[in-house]
Parts: sequence; structure tokens; C-alpha cells
Amino acid sequence: SAVISQKPSRDICQRGTSLTIQCQVDSQVTMMFWYRQQPGQSLTLIATANQGSEATYESGFVIDKFPISRPNLTFSTLTVSNMSPEDSSIYLCSVEGGAIGTDTQYFGPGTRLTVL
Amino acid sequence: LAKTTQPISMDSYEGQEVNITCSHNNIATNDYITWYQQFPSQGPRFIIQGYKTKVTNEVASLFIPADRKSSTLSLPRVSLSDTAVYYCLVDGPNTGGFKTIFGAGTRLFVKA
Repeated sequence: SAVISQKPSRDICQRGTSLTIQCQVDSQVTMMFWYRQQPGQSLTLIATANQGSEATYESGFVIDKFPISRPNLTFSTLTVSNMSPEDSSIYLCSVEGGAIGTDTQYFGPGTRLTVL
Repeated sequence: LAKTTQPISMDSYEGQEVNITCSHNNIATNDYITWYQQFPSQGPRFIIQGYKTKVTNEVASLFIPADRKSSTLSLPRVSLSDTAVYYCLVDGPNTGGFKTIFGAGTRLFVKA
């Protein structure tokens, strides 16, 4: 299994500012995923990030609001831009693992974001 | 991606066996069934995965009938620390690569 770390673990930000969340994996992976989990809710996939290509965003999420970088096979960043209180959430990154074809994912600990 | 349906919440007592059933009527041939566990303030953790029949590991068992339209996660002798949200997912390869879509999950409360 992969070991995933995220920075920061939590932050409190002012409305209108931006925050960049880092995700580091201890092994090389092709695909990385970014999720959002609002309080008391399930996880919602934001985008899929492949190294060397543009991220693929899910319906309701756009690159201008959530730009993603994937500079190498062990690292990715998600930026939450021009934040509003509605962006208060836990943001999680994950990577694929397990046997090929089984779509098992391993998750980071999450970044708890509060926007005032 | 196949949609899953599972109970919103369940209560149990320490030492009991807990069975959480998930329905996935439109599961595809290539889909696997995967269960995750999530504690508060942590990311989901992989518990168990199966394709058909029964799978057992050190944490749980997964029962899948022949038609694969449902699955049951069995947690033997739960303890207070098993209080968590349990997600059932059905996934496989698609044209966009692998994407894992989470349903609402089942909140399990284990009481003393």
C-alpha cells in the first residue's frame, strides 16, 4: 500500500484568498485523485490528475477554481482559489493501488479547510 | 459506474457480529466490490475487496452471491473502535480510467 501525506493538515483562511494543498506519495503512481468532503457528507471527486497532462475535472468543478498541478509521479497540488465559506471542507488526495484492474485506492489524511 | 445502496446507519454492541448489506443491481461484469472504512478526521481506509463468493481477511469478510447484485460486509465481534462510516463501492475500468465514486455510506455506532 502507498503512504500518502498532505500539507497543511488544516488551515483557516479569509474569504477571497487562495490555498494550495500538497499531496506527496512514497512511490510513483500514474493517477492521483482529489476529493472534497463537506461536513457530515460523503466524498465527492473533484478531479483526476495524471502526470504530464491536464487534470480531468468532474461535473461542477472547474480549473479556474481548483487548479491542479502534477509535476512528477509522486507529487500533486490542489489550489482552492478565491475562497468563500462554502469551500470549507476536508480535501483529500488518493492514489490507485492494489492489483491491476481492482481499482483499490489509498487516501491521504486530508486537509481541513475553514474559510471565514 | 454502478450505483450502490446501503443503510444510512446501524447500531450494535461490543462483541456482536455486524453485517452491512449493499445493493448494486447494475454491477458490470468487470466491476469489483470494495469496502472502505472512515474514522472522523481521517481519509477512508481500504478494508476488503471481492469479485464473487466469499473473501476473508484479518479485518472482515465479504459475502457476494452468485448474481453479484448485492454484497455483505461482515465485521466479527465489533469493538467501540469500529465506530466509523463504511462505504460500499462498485468500480471497474472505464473509458476515463479508474474513478472511484463514493455513495452515502453506512454510519456504524458501536455501543458498550
